[in-house]
Amino acid sequence: EAGVAQSPRYKIIEKRQSVAFWCNPISGHATLYWYQQILGQGPKLLIQFQNNGVVDDSQLPKDRFSAERLKGVDSTLKIQPAKLEDSAVYLCASSLGQGVSEQYFGPGTRLTVT
Amino acid sequence: AQSVAQPEDQVNVAEGNPLTVKCTYSVSGNPYLFWYVQYPNRGLQFLLKYITGDNLVKGSYGFEAEFNKSQTSFHLKKPSALVSDSALYFCAVRETGGNNRLAFGKGNQVVVIP
Repeated sequence: EAGVAQSPRYKIIEKRQSVAFWCNPISGHATLYWYQQILGQGPKLLIQFQNNGVVDDSQLPKDRFSAERLKGVDSTLKIQPAKLEDSAVYLCASSLGQGVSEQYFGPGTRLTVT
Repeated sequence: AQSVAQPEDQVNVAEGNPLTVKCTYSVSGNPYLFWYVQYPNRGLQFLLKYITGDNLVKGSYGFEAEFNKSQTSFHLKKPSALVSDSALYFCAVRETGGNNRLAFGKGNQVVVIP
């Protein structure tokens, strides 16, 4: 079974530039998550999709972050414009359902904003 | 809101000795509890979860965890540590009912000394 795929693995941009990350979840997984993991901290949920609908985006900084999951499969997360404090690893995860289903994580995208 | 505390930054243990990684949680209702492990440059991997039932939960790679409701703890244990167990360990909690958000602790670095 293929795991969660993410690209790119690394990205370096200057502040005020824009960046986009891509995620392909495990086939058949209805729920998709985007997390932000700042160095020395645990992952923090940014947004959760159930199929192509948003379930929870309460911790997404909507003035600069956006995400979509067209057709309920792949997803993209965008930051525009980036700030220095956005430097982090962005993790995508998927699960069969919500609730007690364990989440399967991709390798992450390490973003450095200079 | 739900939260998790992992009080130690790093746990050092000799190979072959018992390994314990501590976790305490705070929720307003009943908890669902999870442990994940993160190896360098890899995404988080699911180890085990407590939903209900037996307080001792067995998981992957010989790990187990004990749910203690009175102490609001969910410590991760392994009877005999291996050098390959050296990694970052995250405890996470979700409330029953309410939002489906998983709250992660800051993580514990485990170093197994040969």
